Amino acid sequence: ETGVTQTPRHLVMGMTNKKSLKCEQHLGHNAMYWYKQSAKKPLELMFVYSLEERVENNSVPSRFSPECPNSSHLFLHLHTLQPEDSALYLCASSQNPAPQETQYFGPGTRLLVL
Amino acid sequence: GDSVTQMEGPVTLSEEAFLTINCTYTATGYPSLFWYVQYPGEGLQLLLKATKADDKGSNKGFEATYRKETTSFHLEKGSVQVSDSAVYFCALSGYNTDKLIFGTGTRLQVFP
Repeated sequence: ETGVTQTPRHLVMGMTNKKSLKCEQHLGHNAMYWYKQSAKKPLELMFVYSLEERVENNSVPSRFSPECPNSSHLFLHLHTLQPEDSALYLCASSQNPAPQETQYFGPGTRLLVL
Repeated sequence: GDSVTQMEGPVTLSEEAFLTINCTYTATGYPSLFWYVQYPGEGLQLLLKATKADDKGSNKGFEATYRKETTSFHLEKGSVQVSDSAVYFCALSGYNTDKLIFGTGTRLQVFP
C-alpha cells in the first residue's frame, strides 16, 4: 500500500459519542497534518506534527485531540462534537514540516455529526 | 495576514475548451505559489508550483505563471478533458507564515 490512507472514509456520530480518525502514511515522511475542509471555506489547518512532536495547533477546540504515536501514524480523537464540526477531515504528510514542501493528502474522512 | 482569493465556481466547460481559473494573493515578501487538485472522492494532490517571480509551473497540460506585479497565479489549460473535472485549490506559503494557506477552491465541470 502506498501514499496516505485514512479510515474510516465515512463516519456518522452523535454529539455524545467518542470516535477516532486514523491516518497512515507509507512515504517515509517526517511531518503529518490534519486539515478540516468545509464547503465554500478554505482548508483549515488544525494540527502539525514533526517527528511525533506537535509543532502547530491552530486554536482548535479541545473536543479534537490529536495523537501521533510514531512518524507513520496520526490519529484525531473526537468527543462531544457539535453539528458544525461536520466536514471532510483530511490528513497529509510531507518530508519535512516546512510549508514549501509538497504535501501528500489522504482521501479524507467525511464526518457527519447529528 | 497572507491570503489567497480564487474565482467562485463552478466553472462549466465543454471538452477541448480553454480554461482559466483566476487566483490572486496577498503576502509580504516572496511567497511560493501552488495549485492543488482534488478529484472526486480523493484527497488533494499537487498539480504544479512556482517559487519565484516569473516562474512558470506546468504539469499535465496545465500552466500557471507567478506574476508579482499583479500578485496573481492564474491556472490555464488550452484544451480541457472530461477527466479534468475536479476542484482546484490555489495556495501559498510565505516567509511570514509557517503553514500552507489555501483558497476556497474552484470546481471545474467539463462536459463531453
